[in-house]
Amino acid sequence: QKEVEQNSGPLSVPEGAIASLNCTYSDRGSQSFFWYRQYSGKSPELIMSIYSNGDKEDGRFTAQLNKASQYVSLLIRDSQPSDSATYLCAVNRLSNFGNEKLTFGTGTRLTIIP
Amino acid sequence: DVKVTQSSRYLVKRTGEKVFLECVQDMDHENMFWYRQDPGLGLRLIYFSYDVKMKEKGDIPEGYSVSREKKERFSLILESASTNQTSMYLCASSSGTPVGEQFFGPGTRLTVL
Repeated sequence: QKEVEQNSGPLSVPEGAIASLNCTYSDRGSQSFFWYRQYSGKSPELIMSIYSNGDKEDGRFTAQLNKASQYVSLLIRDSQPSDSATYLCAVNRLSNFGNEKLTFGTGTRLTIIP
Repeated sequence: DVKVTQSSRYLVKRTGEKVFLECVQDMDHENMFWYRQDPGLGLRLIYFSYDVKMKEKGDIPEGYSVSREKKERFSLILESASTNQTSMYLCASSSGTPVGEQFFGPGTRLTVL
């Protein structure tokens, strides 16, 4: 089982609709969860972080976390063509020496159709 | 704004060469990371550092080493480049906590012939 799993897509969503991106993780000890957006040819940029169960909203973005189900999701409301990108889910883990590091999923490619 | 810069955008090297990839951040961040990104495999952690002269192996450290002599600079070294090290290399930095809120550099596309 992969440590962080995402559906690779592509996921196509009409403009104005809600895009739903999902991620599952295997380490029950993980406490911090992140969504990064990566445009083609660019480096990842952080768009959301979530640390406790429930929803966290930031503008058109909502991150949802369910630690019992080991599931984190990202909702994008009123999808825009500029939201077309690959979305990376990242989860923290502890190294053998007790230091935090991130494990990334392979990403979901999202295309917003005008 | 945090700025993370990498020494080269594109690099072509020969098998067996020693390769240095440099990363500099200007926000006094404690934590710095080196990743490689490959299609279908995603971002994988090579090495990371939480302090000057401190380093720790990530998930795929084989064939790589690192150096952090100054807080703002983190170097990735390929002692003897091989074709399977052809990849996009991304450097990132973050403040003390939370570690996961990372800022990435533009990346170096390395081709080993």
